[in-house]
Amino acid sequence: GENVEQHPSTLSVQEGDSAVIKCTYSDSASNYFPWYKQELGKRPQLIIDIRSNVGEKKDQRIAVTLNKTAKHFSLHITETQPEDSAVYFCAASSGSARQLTFGSGTQLTVLP
Amino acid sequence: NAGVTQTPKFQVLKTGQSMTLQCAQDMNHNSMYWYRQDPGMGLRLIYYSASEGTTDKGEVPNGYNVSRLNKREFSLRLESAAPSQTSVYFCASGRPGLNQPQHFGDGTRLSIL
Repeated sequence: GENVEQHPSTLSVQEGDSAVIKCTYSDSASNYFPWYKQELGKRPQLIIDIRSNVGEKKDQRIAVTLNKTAKHFSLHITETQPEDSAVYFCAASSGSARQLTFGSGTQLTVLP
Repeated sequence: NAGVTQTPKFQVLKTGQSMTLQCAQDMNHNSMYWYRQDPGMGLRLIYYSASEGTTDKGEVPNGYNVSRLNKREFSLRLESAAPSQTSVYFCASGRPGLNQPQHFGDGTRLSIL
């Protein structure tokens, strides 16, 4: 089955700096890669996703890049703000699969 | 638009007691899921239902049963609760890879003494 590894497990950045979280996946058939943000005590919320026919996707300060050859994808947050502090999860799924496989999460702390 | 609704939000049980967690979605999704999330860990799939009338085991199904009551509702049952099942339980709907991003409910915080 699919295996998703996520790094780093914790990340601290100064407000205004950029943050990058990286994930690798094992199943070359995976073609859908969402990212979720989970604030303390809240539900995971989808913030951005990318499909394998696209190399990069942006939404304001958030971007995701995908390297199918290397089987890794990354979340980039620019101009970080204190409200970006949360746990971020990556996930992967193939079209034939009916489930997501999640990474272990990254605790992002944005220091004022 | 409520999305995914879970009940209850909190519950405390004694070892050996049983209970059912309820989940309903109003997004007309065929696929629904139950996850558990333990401190410092990611989301682990317990069971899922690809369509009404079907259920499949996920990564950690032992100690749980599920029922897909209809297209909207998917329940999770603990027959004989154990302290190891203390966790936060999330229900989700939407099948990844089919243009149905997966959306989560608010979770049920379950403590078993």
